[in-house]
Amino acid sequence: DQQVKQNSPSLSVQEGRISILNCDYTNSMFDYFLWYKKYPAEGPTFLISISSIKDKNEDGRFTVFLNKSAKHLSLHIVPSQPGDSAVYFCAADRSGGGADGLTFGKGTHLIIQP
Amino acid sequence: KAGVTQTPRYLIKTRGQQVTLSCSPISGHRSVSWYQQTPGQGLQFLFEYFSETQRNKGNFPGRFSGRQFSNSRSEMNVSTLELGDSALYLCASTTGRVDETQYFGPGTRLLVL
Repeated sequence: DQQVKQNSPSLSVQEGRISILNCDYTNSMFDYFLWYKKYPAEGPTFLISISSIKDKNEDGRFTVFLNKSAKHLSLHIVPSQPGDSAVYFCAADRSGGGADGLTFGKGTHLIIQP
Repeated sequence: KAGVTQTPRYLIKTRGQQVTLSCSPISGHRSVSWYQQTPGQGLQFLFEYFSETQRNKGNFPGRFSGRQFSNSRSEMNVSTLELGDSALYLCASTTGRVDETQYFGPGTRLLVL
């Protein structure tokens, strides 16, 4: 049973436009969410996080939105740049550190077209 | 500050063998978590060590074990390797405080033949 789902395995966006990556979760105990970016042959790199007490968090070109009632979060990248091409993972955690560590989605491969 | 390092980066073993992977956390970090990444299952949590004690454990068989040393370096061991153990093994470190971002190493790519 997948508790964190990223339903789009891949996404292609033109350079300069907005990239929107989506993530859904089923476990209502999750209250801390993170996005990681991963290049081939490298470990995931932390991008941005959001606590359930907020509905938006912004860091430069990256904004994460959280809709608790829908159990949905999204990552917006604007403007998209060629270096943003990578696999993006959504991850969720519970307050106090869940016994299961971070729970990850299976990732979305973002491709930025020139 | 140096990041999380993992050794070796690549490893080839045969079924039935055992393997030990190493992870050195960021200086000052006392918590190390291990994850397995496979194409079919994605990233799955193996276990977490904090101050030389296993603090959390995922849903993996007992063939997967780990330990942590007094300098916070951690090792992961897999005994009686199976073909399905072929994966990228990632470790991540934090200072150990609650809700702190985990920083990942580059991973060890294990291939079991």
